[in-house]
Amino acid sequence: RKEVEQDPGPFNVPEGATVAFNCTYSNSASQSFFWYRQDCRKEPKLLMSVYSSGNEDGRFTAQLNRASQYISLLIRDSKLSDSATYLCVVNIYRGDNQFYFGTGTSLTVIP
Amino acid sequence: DAGVTQSPTHLIKTRGQQVTLRCSPKSGHDTVSWYQQALGQGPQFIFQYYEEEERQRGNFPDRFSGHQFPNYSSELNVNALLLGDSALYLCASSPPDTLGTEAFFGQGTRLTVV
Repeated sequence: RKEVEQDPGPFNVPEGATVAFNCTYSNSASQSFFWYRQDCRKEPKLLMSVYSSGNEDGRFTAQLNRASQYISLLIRDSKLSDSATYLCVVNIYRGDNQFYFGTGTSLTVIP
Repeated sequence: DAGVTQSPTHLIKTRGQQVTLRCSPKSGHDTVSWYQQALGQGPQFIFQYYEEEERQRGNFPDRFSGHQFPNYSSELNVNALLLGDSALYLCASSPPDTLGTEAFFGQGTRLTVV
């Protein structure tokens, strides 16, 4: 079983729409959680960390449910510039940081 | 402050050849991890170097080897290249062991094996 599972999409949504991505992780020892954004043929870049209490950054809201081992990302009022692949990442810390990536969810925002 | 830098950015090799990819971590970071990202897939962990030693390794064959230098820069070597080794190779660095830290990525090396 993969450490991190994501729906690969693609998600095609109109501008202004709200879209949600989900991710599950298999290892209960996972301790830190992130959403990364990856543009076509570019490296992944941190979008936001995910905290148990949930956190918001502008139009982006991330949630973590440790009991269900589930992470989500909500994007409100989608912009054309949000088109990218969104990677769910968990960090299993065993004295060192090891990051596990989902396959990514592709989002295209349509004018 | 330069971020993570990788070289070369693109590379074309023939099946059976050997390749060396290079990575300089972000200033202040001492841990370097290498990932392989095939088209349409998420990055897959190859191995991690810390204090010039391989500390963790993913499910990759021995054809994949690496090295870390005293200045924390790192190399990834792949021997006997296969067509399936064609991918984006990403280097990520992180600071001294700190729970919750994020990984910072270089721009990657796109390797094509023909």
